[in-house]
Amino acid sequence: DQQVKQNSPSLSVQEGRISILNCDYTNSMFDYFLWYKKYPAEGPTFLISISSIKDKNEDGRFTVFLNKSAKHLSLHIVPSQPGDSAVYFCAASAGGAQKLVFGQGTRLTINP
Amino acid sequence: GAVVSQHPSWVICKSGTSVKIECRSLDFQATTMFWYRQFPKQSLMLMATSNEGSKATYEQGVEKDKFLINHASLTLSTLTVTSAHPEDSSFYICSASSSQQARYYEQYFGPGTRLTVT
Repeated sequence: DQQVKQNSPSLSVQEGRISILNCDYTNSMFDYFLWYKKYPAEGPTFLISISSIKDKNEDGRFTVFLNKSAKHLSLHIVPSQPGDSAVYFCAASAGGAQKLVFGQGTRLTINP
Repeated sequence: GAVVSQHPSWVICKSGTSVKIECRSLDFQATTMFWYRQFPKQSLMLMATSNEGSKATYEQGVEKDKFLINHASLTLSTLTVTSAHPEDSSFYICSASSSQQARYYEQYFGPGTRLTVT
């Protein structure tokens, strides 16, 4: 049972435009969500997170939106830069637990 | 800050041998370390969670006698793949977090270890 789903395996965006990566979850107990960025043959790097008590969190070019009723979150990157090309994973945790459940990842390619 | 290292970065071993992978938190005390496995083009699958000084908690379907995890100090955890087989070939990634951090649920990942069993 895939509790965290990223239904788009890949996304291609023009440099300077907005990149929107989506993530859906099924477990209503999840109360903290994170986005990680991963380059090939490297470990994931933490990007941004959001608690379920919020619906938006912003950090520079990165903004995460959470829609609890739809069990959906999205990561917006604006403006997109070539260095943003990577695989992006969303992850979720429940009840203060440190265990994270990851989505399948979305490969983002920024075209110059 | 929050740097996690892994060693080796890649290893090739023969079927039937054992391989040890080290995970170190370089600039913080990791009260909890996690071991993941990633197959090509797939998500990170949590294998086990270990707290310093106690036995690891394995996820369902992960053989604890095959994947031995030791978390003897606040900066070091090891994963030993025993009697490795070709199907154990994968990318193994560790992560660490600290209960002393305000956001203790954030995990910091190592660079990963590519294991190839021939």
